[in-house]
Parts: sequence; structure tokens; C-alpha cells
Amino acid sequence: DTEVTQTPKHLVMGMTNKKSLKCEQHMGHRAMYWYKQKAKKPPELMFVYSYEKLSINESVPSRFSPECPNSSLLNLHLHALQPEDSALYLCASSQPGRSYEQYFGPGTRLTVT
Amino acid sequence: RKEVEQDPGPFNVPEGATVAFNCTYSNSASQSFFWYRQDCRKEPKLLMSVYSSGNEDGRFTAQLNRASQYISLLIRDSKLSDSATYLCVVPQDTGRRALTFGSGTRLQVQP
Repeated sequence: DTEVTQTPKHLVMGMTNKKSLKCEQHMGHRAMYWYKQKAKKPPELMFVYSYEKLSINESVPSRFSPECPNSSLLNLHLHALQPEDSALYLCASSQPGRSYEQYFGPGTRLTVT
Repeated sequence: RKEVEQDPGPFNVPEGATVAFNCTYSNSASQSFFWYRQDCRKEPKLLMSVYSSGNEDGRFTAQLNRASQYISLLIRDSKLSDSATYLCVVPQDTGRRALTFGSGTRLQVQP
């Protein structure tokens, strides 16, 4: 099983809503990542979890709150987002020792109204 | 100088053509390099890893020039299905375990 799954595929939320994005992998990977991608731009790293611990936060605003409940799951909690936060949010995972060979999920396309 | 730079294209080539993209990087200490492919409105997928001077996989060849700090991706006998954006990836500082993506080169293979 070489698949990373993400739910939901699409999400529309208002600026006062609270929602969560979910990511799951069953490849035994111990590093998981959140990226944000705007149209016609490359993915931008947001967070890195290594062995369920947050190891990198790329100065992401606190309205984005990551969580790694176990080695297979990664969540991104959203609260009080702005319209400019509308983007494709990608989750990825990698094997220990091969951090740069990442497997991406299909993404959640988020629209903030 | 940006950490990773790519020609954005688009490269419009006919089926069967050979096409090459370059990617320049600023961190001379980088030891490994990667090419990802991203289809329109899809997720990136790892295409090739380059750990030494180069790598070849079927119609795809990646070459590394450490002296000039660039890597190239050569695609031979282009197929319509090769149409995508090709992202050059160079790891950031050792230990950070984070990727720096180039802005991507768009390839359109035409019938």
C-alpha cells in the first residue's frame, strides 16, 4: 500500500468556521508533512512531524494548528481563516532516512469565503 | 540567488521530441537532488532521485553538474502523457529534512 489519503477532497468554509483536514498513510512512514500550494506555484512547506513530534513550523500563522495523533494520522485544524488562505493543502509522508523522497496525498482544495 | 531556480517554460514540443530542463541551485553542499512531476490539479509524484553524477530510468535521464551547480532532466521520445509540470527539488540544510521546490517547468507535448 503506497498511498496517502486525504479528506475531504474539497472544503468551503467561512472565516468564522472551525474545520479540520485529515491525512492518513499506512506505509510505516515516520515523517509526515503539510504543504500549501497556490495556483501556478510550487508547494510551500508548512509543518513537519518526525516520529509524531513537531520538528519544523515554517512560521505558519496560529490559525493553522497541526496535530499528529499517531504515526499514521496527521490533522490540520483550521480556525478563523482568511480568503487568502484558499489553496490546495497537501499532505506527504516519507520513510525514516529518506526524508526527501516523499509520497503526497491528492490534497484538499480549500476555499475560504 | 534563489535556492532553486528553474525555467518556467512552457516548453511546447511535438511527440517524439527530446527535451531537456535545467535547474540551478545555490547550496553547494547539497548532496542529493530530486525531480518531481505534477500533473494539472494533481499531487506531486517523485520521478527521479539523483545521488551521484546522474540517474537514468527508461526515457528519463537526470544529470548533475556540481561545478556549475545545476541538474538537468532529459526526456527522450516525448509522449503526450509526459505533459506536466516538472519540479526540481533540493534538500535544505542538513538536518532540517525539508524540501525546497523549484518553481517548476511546464511541459506540453503536442500531437
